[in-house]
Amino acid sequence: KQEVTQIPAALSVPEGENLVLNCSFTDSAIYNLQWFRQDPGKGLTSLLLIQSSQREQTSGRLNASLDKSSGRSTLYIAASQPGDSATYLCAVVEDDKIIFGKGTRLHILP
Amino acid sequence: DVKVTQSSRYLVKRTGEKVFLECVQDMDHENMFWYRQDPGLGLRLIYFSYDVKMKEKGDIPEGYSVSREKKERFSLILESASTNQTSMYLCASSSSGTSGYEQYFGPGTRLTVT
Repeated sequence: KQEVTQIPAALSVPEGENLVLNCSFTDSAIYNLQWFRQDPGKGLTSLLLIQSSQREQTSGRLNASLDKSSGRSTLYIAASQPGDSATYLCAVVEDDKIIFGKGTRLHILP
Repeated sequence: DVKVTQSSRYLVKRTGEKVFLECVQDMDHENMFWYRQDPGLGLRLIYFSYDVKMKEKGDIPEGYSVSREKKERFSLILESASTNQTSMYLCASSSSGTSGYEQYFGPGTRLTVT
C-alpha cells in the first residue's frame, strides 16, 4: 500500500533563505506527483505537477524534483518570503488513486 | 483557469439533519473527488466519480453518499449528520487528458455539526 511521508511536519526559517521540503513515497509505480500549498482555512492550490517521466518542474522561485527510483521528491523554494508561510502538501497519483502526505507547515520569519 | 466552487464556505447543522454539499467545476473534467481534512489525519478520500452517474467509494465512505447527475456537479450528502462529521470538506476535479490528472481544489466547506 502506497504511503506518502513528509518530514519535518513543521519548519521555521528566516526570510531570504533558500529551503527544501521533502516528500517520500513507498511505491515507485506512480503516474505523477503534485505539490500543493494550503493557507489556513482554505483549499489547496496546485503549485507544480511532475509527470512520472520527468525529473523536475520549475515555476518562479519554486523547483520540484522527482526521483522515482528512490521514492523521493523535493520542493525547493528560493529566497523565501513571509508570504510563503503556509502548509505544503505533496500527493502521488497511481492508477486511479491519489495519496496525500500530511504536509509540512512552513513559517518564514520576517 | 480551472475553477472549482463549493456551495458554502461555512455551514452549521444539527445532529440528525440531512446535509448537502455542492461542488461545481467549469473545465469539463471527467473526474471529481470529495475529501475531508482533519488535524493530524490529513486528507482522506470519501468518494470519487469518473463520469456522470458513476461513483466509487474512497477510504472513508461510511455515513456519506454522493450524486453526479451532470458532469460539472458532484454533490456530497450526509444522510444523518453526526458530530464526528464536523470537518473541512474539500472538493477536487481532474482530467485524464493532457493535464495528466492534475487536481484542482475548491475553497473548502467548514462544516460544524452540533
